[in-house]
Parts: sequence; structure tokens; C-alpha cells
Amino acid sequence: NAGVTQTPKFQVLKTGQSMTLQCAQDMNHNSMYWYRQDPGMGLRLIYYSASEGTTDKGEVPNGYNVSRLNKREFSLRLESAAPSQTSVYFCASSVRRASADTQYFGPGTRLTVL
Amino acid sequence: AQSVTQPDIHITVSEGASLELRCNYSYGATPYLFWYVQSPGQGLQLLLKYFSGDTLVQGIKGFEAEFKRSQSSFNLRKPSVHWSDAAEYFCAVVNRDDKIIFGKGTRLHILP
Repeated sequence: NAGVTQTPKFQVLKTGQSMTLQCAQDMNHNSMYWYRQDPGMGLRLIYYSASEGTTDKGEVPNGYNVSRLNKREFSLRLESAAPSQTSVYFCASSVRRASADTQYFGPGTRLTVL
Repeated sequence: AQSVTQPDIHITVSEGASLELRCNYSYGATPYLFWYVQSPGQGLQLLLKYFSGDTLVQGIKGFEAEFKRSQSSFNLRKPSVHWSDAAEYFCAVVNRDDKIIFGKGTRLHILP
């Protein structure tokens, strides 16, 4: 089992460019999440998908869109990147939605927007 | 609103010494509480979690945490740290909207 995988590991964008961060899990989990991590801020939830076919906003959704492509894959899209979106992005999954369940994290994508 | 506070941004301890990382939460009912660890360049890994029952929770890698309702705390402890414990540690609580809220983290440094 690979667990949660994320691509790419690193990315540099110019302001206004778009890109999609990919996430896949092979644990047959129902719920998936996207977080961003900024120095001194901890992790903040961007979007989550409680189950295949559903997505909901988290704490900081502005400037992002998501797609739950199937049960395995959950992508995060930046339509027009801004320097404020420079961050480390983590995808996570859990068997069920939040509360009781352990979340399993991917290794992260480090994004720099110039 | 529910929140989590980790008062210490950095903590330095000597290898073999005991460790306590502090976590305070704000939540009206009995909370769901977690401790996660992040090694450099890695994602987060669950150390332990508390939902109900025994207030002393055992986790992986020799860590434990104690839930104290009277103090709104869920401090993480380890009796003897190893150099491999150097990492960032996050306390988290699940809020009323069933979303997990992370603290800002405590970075642990180990002196040889």
C-alpha cells in the first residue's frame, strides 16, 4: 500500500498561472481533505470530500477549486495563482468523515508563487 | 468558537530527558482530541487520540497524553526522548461542524 500520494512534490508558478495538485489514496477511504500549512499557522482546511461525489468548503477555500474524481482521487486546482498561495499543501484521507477517524496524510506539495 | 492553543512554539530538551508538550482547547462539550507528529519534510502522523473513557491515553512511539477537563488541557508526555523524536507536534480538536482544528504546532529540538 502506498497510502496517500501527492504530485508534484515541488512546483514554482508565476502569478496568474493555473495548476492542479493531484492526490490519490489506495486505502479505500471515503473521505478526503486538502490542507495548507503556513509557518506559525498550523494546518488549515481548504476543502474536503466526505464521500465520492460530494465536496464542501473548509476554513480557507477562496482561490481554490476541487474535484473528487472517483473514490481514490481528489484534486485541488488553483485557477489564477497568487503569491498568498505560496504554501505547503497536504492531502489526507480517512475512512469516514472527520471526528472519530484518524486522518492519513500525504507527503505534501511545496508550492511557490512568484 | 472551538480552538486549540499550543503555548510553546519551540521546546528544547536533552536526549533521555522527559518531555511535556502543552495543549489547551476551547470546547463546550466533551471534545475529540488528537496529537499528530510531523517529521521534517513529511506529512502528519497520528500519535494518539482521545474520545471518552480513561483520561490517560497511550499512543505510538512511547507517547501518552492526559485529558484534564478541569484545566481544558490535553498535554503530551514522554518519559525519555530520543533524537528521532525531533519533529513538530500538533494538537487538534474536532469542532461542532465535525471539522478538525489544528493548533499552530510545537517544534521539538533534541540536544545530544
